[in-house]
Amino acid sequence: EDKVVQSPLSLVVHEGDTVTLNCSYEVTNFRSLLWYKQEKKAPTFLFMLTSSGIEKKSGRLSSILDKKELFSILNITATQTGDSAVYLCAVPFYNTDKLIFGTGTRLQVFP
Amino acid sequence: DARVTQTPRHKVTEMGQEVTMRCQPILGHNTVFWYRQTMMQGLELLAYFRNRAPLDDSGMPKDRFSAEMPDATLATLKIQPSEPRDSAVYFCASGLPRGGSSSYEQYFGPGTRLTVT
Repeated sequence: EDKVVQSPLSLVVHEGDTVTLNCSYEVTNFRSLLWYKQEKKAPTFLFMLTSSGIEKKSGRLSSILDKKELFSILNITATQTGDSAVYLCAVPFYNTDKLIFGTGTRLQVFP
Repeated sequence: DARVTQTPRHKVTEMGQEVTMRCQPILGHNTVFWYRQTMMQGLELLAYFRNRAPLDDSGMPKDRFSAEMPDATLATLKIQPSEPRDSAVYFCASGLPRGGSSSYEQYFGPGTRLTVT
Protein backbone atom coordinates (compact mmCIF):
# COMPACT_ATOMS: atom_id res chain seq x y z
CA GLU A 1 0.00 0.00 0.00
CA ASP A 2 1.36 3.41 -0.93
CA LYS A 3 2.15 5.57 2.06
CA VAL A 4 3.95 8.65 3.24
CA VAL A 5 5.38 8.87 6.76
CA GLN A 6 6.65 12.03 8.36
CA SER A 7 8.77 12.46 11.45
CA PRO A 8 8.85 13.81 13.99
CA LEU A 9 5.16 14.40 14.55
CA SER A 10 5.92 17.47 16.59
CA LEU A 11 8.91 19.69 17.18
CA VAL A 12 9.42 22.59 19.58
CA VAL A 13 12.45 24.84 19.13
CA HIS A 14 13.69 28.32 19.93
CA GLU A 15 14.23 31.06 17.40
CA GLY A 16 17.55 30.70 15.68
CA ASP A 17 17.63 26.91 15.86
CA THR A 18 18.00 24.75 12.77
CA VAL A 19 15.48 21.98 12.21
CA THR A 20 15.31 18.96 9.94
CA LEU A 21 11.98 17.42 9.00
CA ASN A 22 11.81 13.96 7.51
CA CYS A 23 9.52 12.36 4.96
CA SER A 24 9.77 8.73 3.88
CA TYR A 25 7.60 7.19 1.22
CA GLU A 26 6.58 3.95 -0.37
CA VAL A 27 4.82 4.45 -3.68
CA THR A 28 4.55 2.59 -6.93
CA ASN A 29 6.08 4.43 -9.87
CA PHE A 30 7.50 7.38 -7.93
CA ARG A 31 7.45 10.62 -9.89
CA SER A 32 7.80 13.49 -7.44
CA LEU A 33 7.58 14.60 -3.83
CA LEU A 34 6.05 17.87 -2.70
CA TRP A 35 6.40 19.90 0.49
CA TYR A 36 3.71 22.23 1.79
CA LYS A 37 3.48 24.57 4.75
CA GLN A 38 0.14 24.87 6.51
CA GLU A 39 -0.46 27.57 9.05
CA LYS A 40 -4.01 28.14 10.20
CA LYS A 41 -5.44 27.96 6.72
CA ALA A 42 -4.58 26.49 3.35
CA PRO A 43 -1.43 24.51 2.58
CA THR A 44 1.02 26.66 0.65
CA PHE A 45 3.41 25.10 -1.81
CA LEU A 46 7.10 25.06 -0.90
CA PHE A 47 9.02 22.65 -3.12
CA MET A 48 8.62 19.89 -5.65
CA LEU A 49 11.45 17.37 -5.93
CA THR A 50 11.89 14.90 -8.73
CA SER A 51 15.61 14.13 -8.85
CA SER A 52 17.89 12.69 -6.20
CA GLY A 53 20.64 14.79 -4.73
CA ILE A 54 19.56 18.13 -6.16
CA GLU A 55 18.85 20.62 -3.41
CA LYS A 56 15.96 23.00 -3.77
CA LYS A 57 16.40 26.21 -1.81
CA SER A 58 14.24 29.17 -0.94
CA GLY A 59 15.64 31.58 1.62
CA ARG A 60 16.18 29.71 4.88
CA LEU A 61 14.35 26.62 3.64
CA SER A 62 15.95 23.86 1.63
CA SER A 63 15.01 20.34 0.67
CA ILE A 64 16.63 17.33 -0.91
CA LEU A 65 15.45 13.95 -2.14
CA ASP A 66 17.06 10.53 -1.90
CA LYS A 67 15.31 8.18 -4.32
CA LYS A 68 17.50 5.25 -3.37
CA GLU A 69 16.60 5.41 0.31
CA LEU A 70 13.08 6.71 -0.40
CA PHE A 71 13.08 9.82 1.71
CA SER A 72 13.29 13.57 1.65
CA ILE A 73 14.31 16.14 4.23
CA LEU A 74 13.23 19.71 4.70
CA ASN A 75 15.72 21.95 6.49
CA ILE A 76 14.94 25.29 8.05
CA THR A 77 17.87 27.33 9.30
CA ALA A 78 17.75 30.24 11.73
CA THR A 79 14.11 29.51 12.54
CA GLN A 80 11.71 32.34 13.24
CA THR A 81 8.33 32.37 15.00
CA GLY A 82 6.74 32.78 11.58
CA ASP A 83 7.99 29.32 10.66
CA SER A 84 5.55 27.83 13.17
CA ALA A 85 3.22 25.65 11.11
CA VAL A 86 2.44 22.11 10.08
CA TYR A 87 4.74 20.93 7.30
CA LEU A 88 3.20 18.41 4.95
CA CYS A 89 4.87 16.06 2.55
CA ALA A 90 2.97 14.48 -0.36
CA VAL A 91 3.57 12.17 -3.31
CA PRO A 92 1.36 11.44 -6.32
CA PHE A 93 -0.33 8.08 -6.18
CA TYR A 94 0.70 5.61 -8.90
CA ASN A 95 -0.10 7.07 -12.34
CA THR A 96 -2.62 9.60 -11.13
CA ASP A 97 -2.64 13.22 -10.05
CA LYS A 98 -3.93 12.21 -6.62
CA LEU A 99 -1.60 13.34 -3.83
CA ILE A 100 -1.08 11.13 -0.80
CA PHE A 101 -0.23 13.31 2.17
CA GLY A 102 1.69 12.45 5.28
CA THR A 103 0.25 13.36 8.66
CA GLY A 104 2.57 16.33 8.88
CA THR A 105 5.16 17.65 11.33
CA ARG A 106 3.93 20.37 13.67
CA LEU A 107 6.73 22.86 14.23
CA GLN A 108 6.51 25.41 17.02
CA VAL A 109 9.16 28.10 17.22
CA PHE A 110 9.32 30.10 20.43
CA PRO A 111 11.08 33.45 20.84
CA ASP B 1 -1.61 37.60 -7.62
CA ALA B 2 -3.38 34.51 -8.93
CA ARG B 3 -5.03 32.37 -6.31
CA VAL B 4 -7.77 29.83 -5.80
CA THR B 5 -10.89 31.28 -4.22
CA GLN B 6 -13.57 29.42 -2.29
CA THR B 7 -16.95 30.35 -0.92
CA PRO B 8 -18.29 30.31 1.68
CA ARG B 9 -15.35 30.42 4.07
CA HIS B 10 -17.49 29.15 6.93
CA LYS B 11 -20.76 27.27 6.96
CA VAL B 12 -22.81 26.07 9.90
CA THR B 13 -25.82 23.98 9.07
CA GLU B 14 -28.15 21.47 10.59
CA MET B 15 -28.08 17.78 9.83
CA GLY B 16 -30.12 16.94 6.75
CA GLN B 17 -29.61 20.27 5.02
CA GLU B 18 -27.99 20.66 1.63
CA VAL B 19 -24.58 22.30 1.50
CA THR B 20 -22.94 23.71 -1.63
CA MET B 21 -19.33 24.83 -1.71
CA ARG B 22 -17.85 26.74 -4.64
CA CYS B 23 -14.36 27.10 -5.99
CA GLN B 24 -12.79 29.30 -8.61
CA PRO B 25 -9.49 27.78 -9.77
CA ILE B 26 -6.52 29.84 -10.86
CA LEU B 27 -7.18 31.12 -14.37
CA GLY B 28 -5.64 28.77 -16.91
CA HIS B 29 -5.36 25.80 -14.55
CA ASN B 30 -7.11 22.82 -16.09
CA THR B 31 -6.99 20.40 -13.16
CA VAL B 32 -9.14 20.97 -10.09
CA PHE B 33 -9.16 18.98 -6.86
CA TRP B 34 -11.46 18.74 -3.85
CA TYR B 35 -9.85 17.70 -0.54
CA ARG B 36 -11.25 17.25 2.94
CA GLN B 37 -9.18 17.77 6.07
CA THR B 38 -10.01 16.50 9.55
CA MET B 39 -7.91 15.99 12.63
CA MET B 40 -8.42 12.26 12.46
CA GLN B 41 -7.90 11.61 8.74
CA GLY B 42 -5.67 14.47 7.70
CA LEU B 43 -5.90 15.65 4.10
CA GLU B 44 -7.71 13.28 1.79
CA LEU B 45 -8.70 13.64 -1.83
CA LEU B 46 -12.40 13.50 -2.60
CA ALA B 47 -12.42 14.06 -6.37
CA TYR B 48 -10.63 15.78 -9.19
CA PHE B 49 -11.27 17.05 -12.70
CA ARG B 50 -9.20 17.64 -15.80
CA ASN B 51 -10.61 20.01 -18.41
CA ARG B 52 -13.92 19.87 -16.49
CA ALA B 53 -14.21 16.08 -16.82
CA PRO B 54 -14.19 14.02 -13.62
CA LEU B 55 -11.12 11.77 -13.47
CA ASP B 56 -11.44 10.29 -10.02
CA ASP B 57 -14.15 10.55 -7.41
CA SER B 58 -13.32 7.38 -5.53
CA GLY B 59 -12.70 9.29 -2.32
CA MET B 60 -16.19 10.69 -2.21
CA PRO B 61 -19.24 9.09 -0.53
CA LYS B 62 -21.39 8.84 -3.64
CA ASP B 63 -24.71 8.59 -1.88
CA ARG B 64 -24.54 12.11 -0.53
CA PHE B 65 -21.67 13.94 -2.21
CA SER B 66 -21.50 15.25 -5.74
CA ALA B 67 -18.88 17.33 -7.53
CA GLU B 68 -19.24 19.19 -10.80
CA MET B 69 -17.54 21.76 -12.98
CA PRO B 70 -20.24 23.73 -14.75
CA ASP B 71 -17.52 25.72 -16.51
CA ALA B 72 -13.76 26.17 -16.44
CA THR B 73 -13.95 28.88 -13.78
CA LEU B 74 -16.28 27.15 -11.33
CA ALA B 75 -16.19 23.90 -9.43
CA THR B 76 -18.86 22.88 -6.95
CA LEU B 77 -19.05 20.32 -4.18
CA LYS B 78 -22.47 19.48 -2.87
CA ILE B 79 -23.52 17.45 0.15
CA GLN B 80 -27.13 16.35 0.40
CA PRO B 81 -28.17 15.47 3.05
CA SER B 82 -25.38 16.65 5.33
CA GLU B 83 -24.42 14.75 8.47
CA PRO B 84 -22.37 15.71 11.55
CA ARG B 85 -19.52 13.47 10.38
CA ASP B 86 -19.15 15.71 7.32
CA SER B 87 -17.82 18.48 9.58
CA ALA B 88 -14.37 19.30 8.24
CA VAL B 89 -12.44 21.85 6.22
CA TYR B 90 -12.95 21.39 2.51
CA PHE B 91 -10.16 22.61 0.26
CA CYS B 92 -10.17 23.17 -3.43
CA ALA B 93 -6.85 23.12 -5.28
CA SER B 94 -5.87 23.67 -8.88
CA GLY B 95 -2.87 22.92 -11.03
CA LEU B 96 -1.60 22.81 -14.58
CA PRO B 97 0.39 19.82 -15.84
CA ARG B 98 3.07 21.10 -18.19
CA GLY B 99 4.72 19.56 -21.21
CA GLY B 100 3.22 16.14 -20.66
CA SER B 101 4.70 15.95 -17.18
CA SER B 102 2.65 14.16 -14.61
CA SER B 103 4.38 16.01 -11.80
CA TYR B 104 3.20 19.49 -11.00
CA GLU B 105 2.34 21.58 -7.99
CA GLN B 106 -1.19 22.02 -6.71
CA TYR B 107 -2.27 25.38 -5.28
CA PHE B 108 -4.83 25.36 -2.51
CA GLY B 109 -7.70 27.70 -1.80
CA PRO B 110 -8.43 29.04 1.70
CA GLY B 111 -10.95 26.31 2.43
CA THR B 112 -14.55 26.13 3.61
CA ARG B 113 -14.94 25.22 7.25
CA LEU B 114 -18.14 23.20 7.49
CA THR B 115 -19.89 22.45 10.76
CA VAL B 116 -22.94 20.21 10.71
CA THR B 117 -24.92 20.15 13.95
